[in-house]
Amino acid sequence: QQQVKQSPQSLIVQKGGISIINCAYENTAFDYFPWYQQFPGKGPALLIAIRPDVSEKKEGRFTISFNKSAKQFSLHIMDSQPGDSATYFCAATASSNTGKLIFGQGTTLQVKP
Amino acid sequence: GAVVSQHPSRVICKSGTSVKIECRSLDFQATTMFWYRQFPKKSLMLMATSNEGSKATYEQGVEKDKFLINHASLTLSTLTVTSAHPEDSSFYICSASRSSGRDNEQFFGPGTRLTVL
Repeated sequence: QQQVKQSPQSLIVQKGGISIINCAYENTAFDYFPWYQQFPGKGPALLIAIRPDVSEKKEGRFTISFNKSAKQFSLHIMDSQPGDSATYFCAATASSNTGKLIFGQGTTLQVKP
Repeated sequence: GAVVSQHPSRVICKSGTSVKIECRSLDFQATTMFWYRQFPKKSLMLMATSNEGSKATYEQGVEKDKFLINHASLTLSTLTVTSAHPEDSSFYICSASRSSGRDNEQFFGPGTRLTVL
């Protein structure tokens, strides 16, 4: 019940295309859903996050779509660029749980020029 | 803002020695810090949750006597890998939690690559 399932494991997109990464969770107590971007040999960087009281959040080229009833959320990267090539992790946490993040398995994105 | 540093960025040590890794929140106070371990091409595995002034809470399967955590101040937590062995070689990452309204945003350090020979 604590798991967050992320798909796909890897993704190849052409420059200018849309990258879509999906996550699903079971625990209805989760109330904060961040996405992290990680480059090789570096720590994850917070990209964008959402709470379940909204269905969508957009920051620049990055959009989170949230479906509370389906317990799913996804990251959309519009106009994907080669510099977006990285590993993306979704995560979830419950405010009541000391902020402990439960991470998805990660998606390696490659954007081809 | 919200910068977390780690030191050292990479360390190579001999089997049986101890290694200390520092994690600092540079521009905010973090009541809670977390320590993760990451294997190549894998997700982050939470090792322990560290609160300032109290004992760390370790995840199941993580040996607290092997991975000593000290959270001495609101900006500093340390992880000491005691009597390191080659199987402890990994990428260790810390994070610090900053309260921002309703959200407890978590910011990660750049990681420490530990190689035990």
